[in-house]
Amino acid sequence: EVQLVQSGAEVKKPGESLKISCKGSGYSFTSYWIGWVRQMPGKGLEWMGIIYPGDSDTRYSPSFQGQVTISADKSISTAYLQWSSLKASDTAMYYCARHSSSSWGNWFDPWGQGTLVTVSS
Amino acid sequence: QSVLTQPPSVSAAPGQKVTISCSGSSSNIGNNYVSWYQQLPGTAPKLLIYDNNKRPSGIPDRFSGSKSGTSATLGITGLQTGDEADYYCGTWDSSLSVRWVFGGGTKLTVL
Repeated sequence: EVQLVQSGAEVKKPGESLKISCKGSGYSFTSYWIGWVRQMPGKGLEWMGIIYPGDSDTRYSPSFQGQVTISADKSISTAYLQWSSLKASDTAMYYCARHSSSSWGNWFDPWGQGTLVTVSS
Repeated sequence: QSVLTQPPSVSAAPGQKVTISCSGSSSNIGNNYVSWYQQLPGTAPKLLIYDNNKRPSGIPDRFSGSKSGTSATLGITGLQTGDEADYYCGTWDSSLSVRWVFGGGTKLTVL
């Protein structure tokens, strides 16, 4: 079974750093892009960026470029999303998802269960 | 403001049919394939439709997708109370830089 399992919920203070993870299993981790998606409380889905674990090629949404860092460790089939200095506005649920493709289009499937990040003083 | 426009909410009675629209432009839907996602309350999104109109294994044929020009549509027939969820469309967009975009989401209420 193809599965993405994310790290647990985090509670942090403004200014702290954080790295959350997404571990893939049941497929060749290095052959598919992994994306990160933010969902702020009561809001919709926002694409943050994607990484190709095979060579760590990374693309960011202009909205998140410079705000977060996406990385991967292919030796342990794990992708990461990290912040160097959290803000209260980073409070959200974060999902990772495998980015699949056909000869025509692309889509996200499956999704991780989500990691809730709460930033509060 | 999302690049892809969806109605905030739709509703219909059990057993009825509903459609959810997703309107974009030539920089996204007009030149790319669309996927649809269902997010049940308190859960992660799940793929419903890919490549405009294909269903993954396990998705019932009550769910269908179509695309025409710069708009896409998700159709759900034989509505069930378990279909109450938020639905999102998504595709690539190349208006400023190449990025993936989601619609703002549509809340489906089964009355």
